[in-house]
Amino acid sequence: GAVVSQHPSWVICKSGTSVKIECRSLDFQATTMFWYRQFPKQSLMLMATSNEGSKATYEQGVEKDKFLINHASLTLSTLTVTSAHPEDSSFYICSASRSRYQPQHFGDGTRLSIL
Amino acid sequence: GQQLNQSPQSMFIQEGEDVSMNCTSSSIFNTWLWYKQDPGEGPVLLIALYKAGELTSNGRLTAQFGTTRKDSFLNISASIPSDVGIYFCAVRLSGTYKYIFGTGTRLKVLA
Repeated sequence: GAVVSQHPSWVICKSGTSVKIECRSLDFQATTMFWYRQFPKQSLMLMATSNEGSKATYEQGVEKDKFLINHASLTLSTLTVTSAHPEDSSFYICSASRSRYQPQHFGDGTRLSIL
Repeated sequence: GQQLNQSPQSMFIQEGEDVSMNCTSSSIFNTWLWYKQDPGEGPVLLIALYKAGELTSNGRLTAQFGTTRKDSFLNISASIPSDVGIYFCAVRLSGTYKYIFGTGTRLKVLA
């Protein structure tokens, strides 16, 4: 089946640091990937749609200058949390699908903790 | 905004029991998915439903796409300890390839 890899799985860093998270589709090409954020005991909230070769589409309320998304190839999307602060601490998960109308498959998530 | 409500919110069951949970919406959707999420991991796709009334099985799991296209249920038969986790339903937003997720059902199994 489809495999999506996310790295790193766990990050702890100081306030003000920028953190980059990678999402790779390992056995298929993904023109579109998605980034979600999940707070403890809550559901997944879509942050943005990452489009290969073009700008990401952000959901309402998500700061595009805070959460920079780059989708430079058909197998890699990156999310950079710029100048991270404690309120940015969360579980970030990416997903991808073989085609637009097929189900999404998720990476294992990145636990981000900002001190 | 659009919301998917799942019930129950959480449940404890005895190992070996059957489990039933559902997901409802005020809007019609044409694609319904069920995922399971283990602690600290990303969700894993269990079942995908594309046709109203469709009943699909995956091992001990059975899911149905409601005929009104506003709900779906997931059944787990003969539950085992590894069924512990959070079960999410998800629907594809019409005219897009984005999905929204339900509120989740947290399943805990008593051995």
